[in-house]
Amino acid sequence: GAGVSQSPRYKVAKRGQDVALRCDPISGHVSLFWYQQALGQGPEFLTYFQNEAQLDKSGLPSDRFFAERPEGSVSTLKIQRTQQEDSAVYLCASSTGTVAGKSTDTQYFGPGTRLTVL
Amino acid sequence: AQSVTQLGSHVSVSEGALVLLRCNYSSSVPPYLFWYVQYPNQGLQLLLKYTSAATLVKGINGFEAEFKKSETSFHLTKPSAHMSDAAEYFCALNQFYFGTGTSLTVIP
Repeated sequence: GAGVSQSPRYKVAKRGQDVALRCDPISGHVSLFWYQQALGQGPEFLTYFQNEAQLDKSGLPSDRFFAERPEGSVSTLKIQRTQQEDSAVYLCASSTGTVAGKSTDTQYFGPGTRLTVL
Repeated sequence: AQSVTQLGSHVSVSEGALVLLRCNYSSSVPPYLFWYVQYPNQGLQLLLKYTSAATLVKGINGFEAEFKKSETSFHLTKPSAHMSDAAEYFCALNQFYFGTGTSLTVIP
């Protein structure tokens, strides 16, 4: 029950394939965040959950991106019909806090899933 | 609008020298500011955070940062660099907004 875990660590997909990326947050953490980190860039916010509720999905780049957290713990980020521009590291983070976007709560990050779309 | 600018995508220092990594922010609300470190193939790890209490914040591994409202800055410093400090450093604003990162190289 250490930190945040993500699977798979590496994923190679052919353009047009669907992929699913999993995040296991720290047990008991209310908030869960997804970020996209392109090569040489900082993390870009995608979406945020408080328990099972998706409170902010303003960062999802298109309707091909979908995230869920049905039981308020494990989350899955799904990308449909992958494109080359989707190649990036996808980071998941969790925190104890219940107020996102203006919070001092520490986010605990997983190691990320590196997605390569050929 | 909220944004973070990290000046210098690459910084090199000699072992034992001062480390200075720059971060400037723009925020329409009073900011909370964070510094994270990322080692290769590892997740981001919190170094320190500013939560509107003390303007000089001390973090792990000897790092500290000073919040300067007049300069909209939150620069990260360490008096003496160690080889193990070589990593990518990210400044973040209000939890969601990250800078593009600064890669720190420590020269023996």
